[in-house]
Amino acid sequence: QVQLVQSGAEVKKPGASVKVSCKASGYTFTSYDINWVRQATGQGLEWMGWMNPNSGNTGYAQKFQGRVTMTRNTSISTAYMELSSLRSEDTAVYYCARRYSYGDPVDYWGQGTLVTVSS
Amino acid sequence: DIQMTQSPSSLSASVGDRVTITCRASQGISNYLAWYQQKPGKVPKLLIYAASTLQSGVPSRFSGSGSGTDFTLTISSLQPEDVATYYCQKYNSALITFGQGTRLEIK
Repeated sequence: QVQLVQSGAEVKKPGASVKVSCKASGYTFTSYDINWVRQATGQGLEWMGWMNPNSGNTGYAQKFQGRVTMTRNTSISTAYMELSSLRSEDTAVYYCARRYSYGDPVDYWGQGTLVTVSS
Repeated sequence: DIQMTQSPSSLSASVGDRVTITCRASQGISNYLAWYQQKPGKVPKLLIYAASTLQSGVPSRFSGSGSGTDFTLTISSLQPEDVATYYCQKYNSALITFGQGTRLEIK
């Protein structure tokens, strides 16, 4: 069955960076884009960007341009999202989710990774 | 960028009621509209895609309609397990946008 398993919770200080991993199984990793979505406590879903694991191509929401980097390691079917210059407002649960292509919705989600930014 | 606006932001209904949530896109998106259900503390779950196609395993009391800019999610007979926040999502391009969510409670 399709699974996206994310790395564990992180606590970071303001100004630091965090790198969250997302290991895929149960399907061909390079056939589906990986998207990243975050959700602050009690708030809605906020899309951050996408990465094509086959080509490595990426696209980021304007809000995160310059601060986010999405990469992958195809040999271990794992995607990564790194967010830099963290501030308290970045405290949220970060989800990876797969999407077949443009014109397809996100269908499977990781379990989420809580990132807490606190001094 | 296309904005997605849901209404209402919250609603309370009784078991057995018919419930409707609306989602409006700031520009036409054809039928590239999905609905997600997120129960408290859980991961979002895909309910409907292509505006009206039910994802496998989703109860038939859920339905979706619309095209262009105006869309609806309908629960024909509200059940206690439907307590959740519902989000619409447009996906007509690489850029994905979610509505702000509608919190559904039982009266």
